[in-house]
Amino acid sequence: EIVLTQSPGTLSLSPGERATLSCRASQSVSGTSFAWYQQKPGQAPRLLIYGASNRATGIPDRFSGSGSGTDFTLTIFRLEPEDFAVYYCQQYGNSPTFGGGTKVEIK
Amino acid sequence: QLQLQESGPGLVKPSETLSLTCTVSGGSISSGTYYWGWIRQPPGKGLEWIGSIYFTGSTYYSPSLKSRVTISLDTSKNQFSLRLSSVTAADTAVYYCARAFDIWGQGTMVTVSS
Repeated sequence: EIVLTQSPGTLSLSPGERATLSCRASQSVSGTSFAWYQQKPGQAPRLLIYGASNRATGIPDRFSGSGSGTDFTLTIFRLEPEDFAVYYCQQYGNSPTFGGGTKVEIK
Repeated sequence: QLQLQESGPGLVKPSETLSLTCTVSGGSISSGTYYWGWIRQPPGKGLEWIGSIYFTGSTYYSPSLKSRVTISLDTSKNQFSLRLSSVTAADTAVYYCARAFDIWGQGTMVTVSS
């Protein structure tokens, strides 16, 4: 099983700042099978990024995904109030797994 | 617009079988080359993939749950289902159904308790 480790666990930032979230895999992951999700309290996860760097339909361009191999990054340029949430990374190869999540909270 | 809705008992007794159904509306479950899956989230914790079923009927399960999970497709009803046997308190979670992880249902809370 591929283990995904997200860091930091919590990110305290102000609106307008940049958020950089990291996800490290225990073994190399195909970039075509890597995604990021946003989850707000009481809601289902929402797909943000697929294929490591492709924004899903309707996702603003302030969300950007990058990375390959074992290291992937989600960057949120200029945080908006609605961006404060928990973010999960995922590899969806043969046996999908999720990271433990990073909470982006208002400083 | 494609929508998914989970349904099933909110309370299941220990050692019994949890059964949930996901009803797909706004599109056919048998069109395209999608896979349909189940994911769960224990209260206050992260996401765990349970398993997926392809439009062909092929199934793939989490290694940790494989011995207890069955996912099936009912194209006539535009639904797919999850059965998880021999449940314990550790199976208490919000259960989500999803299409290829890009469209998710709202989730349904299942509590395992006597």
